[in-house]
Amino acid sequence: AQSVTQPDIHITVSEGASLELRCNYSYGATPYLFWYVQSPGQGLQLLLKYFSGDTLVQGIKGFEAEFKRSQSSFNLRKPSVHWSDAAEYFCAVGAGGANNLFFGTGTRLTVIP
Amino acid sequence: GAGVSQSPRYKVAKRGQDVALRCDPISGHVSLFWYQQALGQGPEFLTYFQNEAQLDKSGLPSDRFFAERPEGSVSTLKIQRTQQEDSAVYLCAGQGKHDYEQYFGPGTRLTVT
Repeated sequence: AQSVTQPDIHITVSEGASLELRCNYSYGATPYLFWYVQSPGQGLQLLLKYFSGDTLVQGIKGFEAEFKRSQSSFNLRKPSVHWSDAAEYFCAVGAGGANNLFFGTGTRLTVIP
Repeated sequence: GAGVSQSPRYKVAKRGQDVALRCDPISGHVSLFWYQQALGQGPEFLTYFQNEAQLDKSGLPSDRFFAERPEGSVSTLKIQRTQQEDSAVYLCAGQGKHDYEQYFGPGTRLTVT
């Protein structure tokens, strides 16, 4: 069965510091992996996605993620966090095509000045 | 419109009332998904449409939940005899025919009192 684990419920970082949000997945085939961001009262916005090819993917807002098959991980990184990055971040896995996504429980990011 | 819209954005229902939640996807999006997001959790799959056909309703939690998409565009999620455990944000997402990305609406926050 597909599942996603985001081990960190809440992370606090200082503005300008680097960030890494962890995501581990369980999936029996080649996964399609996604990171979404959700601000309060807003829907989910796609940050980046991995389907195949280069395991380091670049996304919007300066985010990147690296797919590591051997570790079943897809961690999200940003070299320098901005106050506007404070939000909830969700990792998701899917089968590709028109298939539903399985989401982790999310990591809430707080940015302090 | 340019994005996915959902209405109402907020709904308060007394226990036992019926509610109807509307999703207006991006024009041309063949696939449509409904997800339920409980407080502090990630979204969980409810049901999936391809055009007007409901191809997967395995995530609907009970027979009180019903979804339709009669003309293959707008979709309605109906919950009969609402219970307190139905309180959640209901998210709708559309996906294009040759796309692997799901585009989410802002959600409807349902509170059952």
